[in-house]
Amino acid sequence: GENVGLHLPTLSVQEGDNSIINCAYSNSASDYFIWYKQESGKGPQFIIDIRSNMDKRQGQRVTVLLNKTVKHLSLQIAATQPGDSAVYFCAEKAPVGGGYNKLIFGAGTRLAVHP
Amino acid sequence: GAVVSQHPSRVICKSGTSVKIECRSLDFQATTMFWYRQFPKQSLMLMATSNEGSKATYEQGVEKDKFLINHASLTLSTLTVTSAHPEDSSFYICSALAGRETQYFGPGTRLLVL
Repeated sequence: GENVGLHLPTLSVQEGDNSIINCAYSNSASDYFIWYKQESGKGPQFIIDIRSNMDKRQGQRVTVLLNKTVKHLSLQIAATQPGDSAVYFCAEKAPVGGGYNKLIFGAGTRLAVHP
Repeated sequence: GAVVSQHPSRVICKSGTSVKIECRSLDFQATTMFWYRQFPKQSLMLMATSNEGSKATYEQGVEKDKFLINHASLTLSTLTVTSAHPEDSSFYICSALAGRETQYFGPGTRLLVL
């Protein structure tokens, strides 16, 4: 989950296909995870979250899978649409003393949907 | 629900001046807000955590005298970039904590220092 590099990995898909965006997180103690979507020039938009006591959660057209054994998170988007084109970030929250909830963001993946 | 606004959306200023950015939670109260900075094609970098009624907590390497944070009410946090320089040009994004854990983000403020 480190903020790295100038080059975002890109996933290119055809409209209507399913998309899977992957994320490796860094802290085995992290207990809460969120996926955000960020369109160009805008702030991140909440998509879906999952707690560490779950391994799958479904929303509308999206599913998040959590594999704690290998510290891996994925976001599945069904029937991908051109409007899904954006950069997707995973974020993890580790239990932190002091009572505040800091998120650590992954590097991001650009999803490009082609008609 | 959980709407966060930022103002201004864009600002251009001269080197040496100060710029204030406001972050508001519109339909909920947020005792905790966060300020991030994002460079092109990079991820979000947390600058500081803003707590209502108390001092902000800054991340390592972020100068608290350079980036002044005030969280005077449960719906408003401000970030002031003091004596701005061209290297401070960036996309600044705030978020507000809704409930225990979920952060909702504002639309961001693009700062250009000439």
